[in-house]
Parts: sequence; structure tokens; C-alpha cells
Amino acid sequence: AQSVSQHNHHVILSEAASLELGCNYSYGGTVNLFWYVQYPGQHLQLLLKYFSGDPLVKGIKGFEAEFIKSKFSFNLRKPSVQWSDTAEYFCAVNAKTGANNLFFGTGTRLTVIP
Amino acid sequence: DTAVSQTPKYLVTQMGNDKSIKCEQNLGHDTMYWYKQDSKKFLKIMFSYNNKELIINETVPNRFSPKSPDKAHLNLHINSLELGDSAVYFCASSQRSGTGANVLTFGAGSRLTVL
Repeated sequence: AQSVSQHNHHVILSEAASLELGCNYSYGGTVNLFWYVQYPGQHLQLLLKYFSGDPLVKGIKGFEAEFIKSKFSFNLRKPSVQWSDTAEYFCAVNAKTGANNLFFGTGTRLTVIP
Repeated sequence: DTAVSQTPKYLVTQMGNDKSIKCEQNLGHDTMYWYKQDSKKFLKIMFSYNNKELIINETVPNRFSPKSPDKAHLNLHINSLELGDSAVYFCASSQRSGTGANVLTFGAGSRLTVL
């Protein structure tokens, strides 16, 4: 089965700082990769996804992520964060074959200080 | 119009009771899921249900039973509730793809508190 590791549990940044959240997965086959965001008190929303092709994917609200296959990583980045980016960020992976169930990392809480 | 709707949003109950959470999606998706989010925000899949095929996560106690009357609905019934069942339960749906390239749409969550 797949597993996902997010090493940063809580990240605190000032507005305009750059962001990088780590995500590593463990699975021997080919995968799809996702980042979801959960704003306070809300449900999960898709931020961006990687299925195939260009390993650098762009999502909503200025976020991007890069799939580095050799490192089994899919780190999330944003050059300049805003207070409204305060949320919980979840990396997720599913296998391209089989049940396709989505497995989530433990999440990273981002707090942006105005 | 809400794409994935869950009811109730909040549920407070005593240990030992039986309760249900309902989920409905109007996206025409063929697959629905239940996820459990614990107090540390960890999201874990419990079940997925696709065209009458139920895929069970073997770590889920058999006190939890999903019921799908049709592909737009996936309800979760919980028997003999325990303190550890307190969590937020998220329903989600997707259109299944042979390569897993399916994006899940989540409901707003149902916060269950067992006293």
C-alpha cells in the first residue's frame, strides 16, 4: 500500500515569505499525486494534481508543486504567502492501478502572520 | 447547489448508541468514499464504493457499516459507539478512472462527538 510523509507539522511564516512544504511518498509503482487544502472550519479542496507530463504543476492561488520521481517527492511551493493561506495542507497519493484509493499524509498546518 | 452534502453536520451522542451519517452527491460520480479525520487532523480512508463494489479498509471495526442505496448516496451507520469514534467524518465522491486520475470532491464533514 501507498504511504505519504509530510515532515513539517506546523509552519509559521510572515506574509510575503516563500513557502515550501515537503511531501514524500512510498510506493513501488506509478502514482498520481495531489495537494489538498483545508481552510479553518471548511472541507478539503483540491489545490493541484499531477497525473503525467510536465513534473512542475501549477495550481490555484499561485501554488505549484514539483514531482521528482527519483526522490519520491512532490513538494508544494508558493513564492509569497498571504494571511489567507493559513490552512491545513495535505499531500495525497494513489496508485494508477488497483483500487485507486487516495492515501493522505498527516498534514501540515500553515500559519501566516500578517 | 452543494455537490457533496452530508447530514448531520454535528452529532453528539452517548457511548453505546447507534447513529448514522448520510451523504449524497449530485455530480453524477460513480465512486463514493468515507474518510475519518481524527483530532490530529490525520485523514484515513474507511471505505470506497464503486458500482456496488465495496472496498473495505480492514482496520475499520465491523461496527461501521456503509450502505449505498444507489450510486448517489453512501450512508455510514455506526453501532455501539465508542469514545474513540469521536472524529470528523468526510464523505467524498469521484468519477473513477482506470489510471486513478480521479479528483475527489469532499463534503463539509460531520463532526461526531461521543460522550
